[in-house]
Amino acid sequence: EVQLVESGGDLVQPGGSLRLSCAASGFTFSPYTMHWIRQAPGKGLEGIAYISTTGSTIWYADSVKGRFTISRDNGKNSVYLQMNSLRDEDTAVYYCTRDKSTVAFDYWGQGTLVTVSS
Amino acid sequence: QSALTQPRSVSGSPGQSVTISCTGTSRDFGNYNYVSWYQQHPGKAPKLIINDVSKRSSGVLDRFSGSKSGNTASLTISGLQAEDEADYYCCSYEVTSTSYGFGTGTKVTVL
Repeated sequence: EVQLVESGGDLVQPGGSLRLSCAASGFTFSPYTMHWIRQAPGKGLEGIAYISTTGSTIWYADSVKGRFTISRDNGKNSVYLQMNSLRDEDTAVYYCTRDKSTVAFDYWGQGTLVTVSS
Repeated sequence: QSALTQPRSVSGSPGQSVTISCTGTSRDFGNYNYVSWYQQHPGKAPKLIINDVSKRSSGVLDRFSGSKSGNTASLTISGLQAEDEADYYCCSYEVTSTSYGFGTGTKVTVL
């Protein structure tokens, strides 16, 4: 069974940092591009970062560029999101997703909540 | 990439058909078929229902169909059922910038 399990969400003050992790199981991890997608409370979906199979291609949404860093470890079947200089508007549920082709997110984690507040 | 535009809400009675539009620019859709649709029930993670404009994801009923014409993609739900009541999002990949974005989301209500 394919599973994506996010962890690391927490309450953090503005300007703080967090590192999210996503552990994948039930499939061969390395051939898939992986994404982080977030959803602010009561709002829509926002793709914020993706990393290709070997990490050679990385993309960030303008809203997080320069503050967030995506990485992966194919040996540990995991993808990470380092979030620095957090802002109130980064408050959201963060989902880890698998891309089976191009923007075909066929598996999603359960999400991890990041709350940025003083 | 700017957010793709969807109607805020659509509704229909059981058994009817509803269509959700997703409007972008020529850069959003171009000559490529990188459009997907997601269904999200409250408190749940989104679920892929359509990818590559019109390919139904595994296990998705043929009541769901997708299409694209010019700068607008569409999702049609036929034979509307109570369990179809959810939020729906389109998504497209922009080849020139290698970026992607989601639509604004549409709430489907079954009357």
